Amino acid sequence: AQTVTQSQPEMSVQEAETVTLSCTYDTSENNYYLFWYKQPPSRQMILVIRQEAYKQQNATENRFSVNFQKAAKSFSLKISDSQLGDTAMYFCAFVSLQGAQKLVFGQGTRLTINP
Amino acid sequence: DAGVTQSPTHLIKTRGQHVTLRCSPISGHKSVSWYQQVLGQGPQFIFQYYEKEERGRGNFPDRFSARQFPNYSSELNVNALLLGDSALYLCASSIQGHGPYEQYFGPGTRLTVT
Repeated sequence: AQTVTQSQPEMSVQEAETVTLSCTYDTSENNYYLFWYKQPPSRQMILVIRQEAYKQQNATENRFSVNFQKAAKSFSLKISDSQLGDTAMYFCAFVSLQGAQKLVFGQGTRLTINP
Repeated sequence: DAGVTQSPTHLIKTRGQHVTLRCSPISGHKSVSWYQQVLGQGPQFIFQYYEKEERGRGNFPDRFSARQFPNYSSELNVNALLLGDSALYLCASSIQGHGPYEQYFGPGTRLTVT
């Protein structure tokens, strides 16, 4: 079974700073996808960024980028030039390409951006 | 286009009662998945339905059941409610039932069991 671990329950930074959220996962599979989801206080979960395991190049979406280390099973999210609207719970998630489209989530990191 | 919709938004039930939660996927999406999110934790997978067939089931007791209708909407049913069933229930839809297609989440139904 796959597991996803986020070791930082809470983080807080000042607006415009850069912050990195950590995530490790465990799987015996070789083909999978990894995601970072954001859940603002209004609670609707939205996708921030995704990474294909077969791609060595790290995914980037505007101010959001990942550091994907497949051998180490590590998948961190970097937010550059943080904004007040980035305040939210952030969840790292794994999905296998085998079987059901089941997202396995970590416990989440509560990120607060201070003005 | 409308996103994933869920009803009701909030629900309060008593232990032992039954509850039905509803989800309408994004138009054109054929897969619906259900997740339970207990306060302070990440969502846990309950079910996936694709083309009206159960495609996957998480580690939940038989008190939990679901179905998908011909219009791809879905219901999650929970019987004999326990206090521990109090949670946010999230529905997610996807255009396909397998592979890395993005899952779009609804706003959730907050269930409180007293």
